[in-house]
Amino acid sequence: QSALTQPRSVSGSPGQSVTISCTGTSSDVGGYNSVSWYQQHPGKAPKLMIHGVTERPSGVPDRFSGSKSGNTASLTISGLQAEDEADYYCCSHAGSHTYVFGTGTEVTVL
Amino acid sequence: EVQLVESGGGLVQPGGSLRLSCAASGFTFSSYWMTWVRQAPGKGLEWVANIEPDGSYNCYVDSVKGRFTISRDNAKDSLYLQMNSLRAEDTAVYFCARYGITAAKDVWGQGTTVTV
Repeated sequence: QSALTQPRSVSGSPGQSVTISCTGTSSDVGGYNSVSWYQQHPGKAPKLMIHGVTERPSGVPDRFSGSKSGNTASLTISGLQAEDEADYYCCSHAGSHTYVFGTGTEVTVL
Repeated sequence: EVQLVESGGGLVQPGGSLRLSCAASGFTFSSYWMTWVRQAPGKGLEWVANIEPDGSYNCYVDSVKGRFTISRDNAKDSLYLQMNSLRAEDTAVYFCARYGITAAKDVWGQGTTVTV
């Protein structure tokens, strides 16, 4: 049950694209199509942004997209906006109904 | 409105116990898997425990096995986390959340703070 590995921080200017990686193992990210991504602003509860690796819930802007290759999942934010500045966490099913989160990435809009 | 509201957090001595509650409203609570997630001060999210809709199956992160018990009362639309033998490293904000039909945590409470 080791945390998935994410970069500590990424940054970009408004309008640019940023990608956050989430690296696990064949026992979690690589073994299931059950990766989700959460956005968390300071002092707030997390918000679901992506589920099932690539699916966006209703109401989430289409500039957020997800993908996966092998044991690494990714979240891309295209057309970065000021309100996207937040912490982002990936989460994967890890077998037997257990889950593991990523270490978290701070996104800064320059 | 779909909502989860946690309560029961507080300050407790090491070795002590605390019971967290999560009141659900706006959806058919008895149809959903539920979960507890925690976040230590300045740290990331950590999955803690899951429970299936009828309460007959649950699972835990290794660090709380044997100390924490997740349970639910579907008649009261409530989720619980009984925490025993608390340690300093259990200090965190504890969130309850719902697993939607997509198997992702789609509804979250505002969190309750536990300080050991």
